Amino acid sequence: EVQVVESGGSVVQPGRSLRLACSASGFNFGTYAMSWIRQAPGKGLEWLGFIRSKTWGETTEYAASVRGRFTVSRDDSKSLAFLEMNSLKTEDTGIYFCARYSGFGLIDYWGQGTLVTVSS
Amino acid sequence: DIVMTQTPLSLSVTLGQPASISCRSSQRLVYTDGNTYLSWFLQRPGQPPRLLIHKISNLFSGVPDRFSGSGAGTDFTLKISSVETEDVGVYYCMQATHFPYTFGQGTKLEIK
Repeated sequence: EVQVVESGGSVVQPGRSLRLACSASGFNFGTYAMSWIRQAPGKGLEWLGFIRSKTWGETTEYAASVRGRFTVSRDDSKSLAFLEMNSLKTEDTGIYFCARYSGFGLIDYWGQGTLVTVSS
Repeated sequence: DIVMTQTPLSLSVTLGQPASISCRSSQRLVYTDGNTYLSWFLQRPGQPPRLLIHKISNLFSGVPDRFSGSGAGTDFTLKISSVETEDVGVYYCMQATHFPYTFGQGTKLEIK
């Protein structure tokens, strides 16, 4: 059974950094891209970015709103993906979802999400 | 960025009746390989989104066949042939043809 579990969400002050982790199981992690999507309170979904598999050079893509501040990485030996978030702003508050990405719109298995609150 | 516009933003449907949601993109979504990467997701209350349809009309594994997708170019439609209680939630379209990927604003479906 495919499972994706996010962790690391917390309350953090504006301007600080936070790293989220995404643990995956039930599939060959190293052969899939992993994506991050967030949802501000009471709002819709916002695609943040993804990291391709090693086969595709572990290259990344990002939304303009987070490019340069957020970094997606992965550790295939531990079936983990990460979202490093720097210079956090209050508008970064929301639930952060990690999901397996099978390519071309197939965001097929999602975690339950982890809550990030940016507040002083 | 490509803007995805969904209509209506909310929908109230009687059980057993059909439902239809429209999604329009600000640019054509045909990729260089000839495919169109338009997906639909459903987010039930308190749950993460789940994939329903990809590449306009391909049902994801386990999705009931009362769901169907259609469209081309910039105009796409999600249809539910006979709404059931478990279909309540917010539906999102998403384009994965152009970076950055973008979602529609969501359509909330409730039972009348």
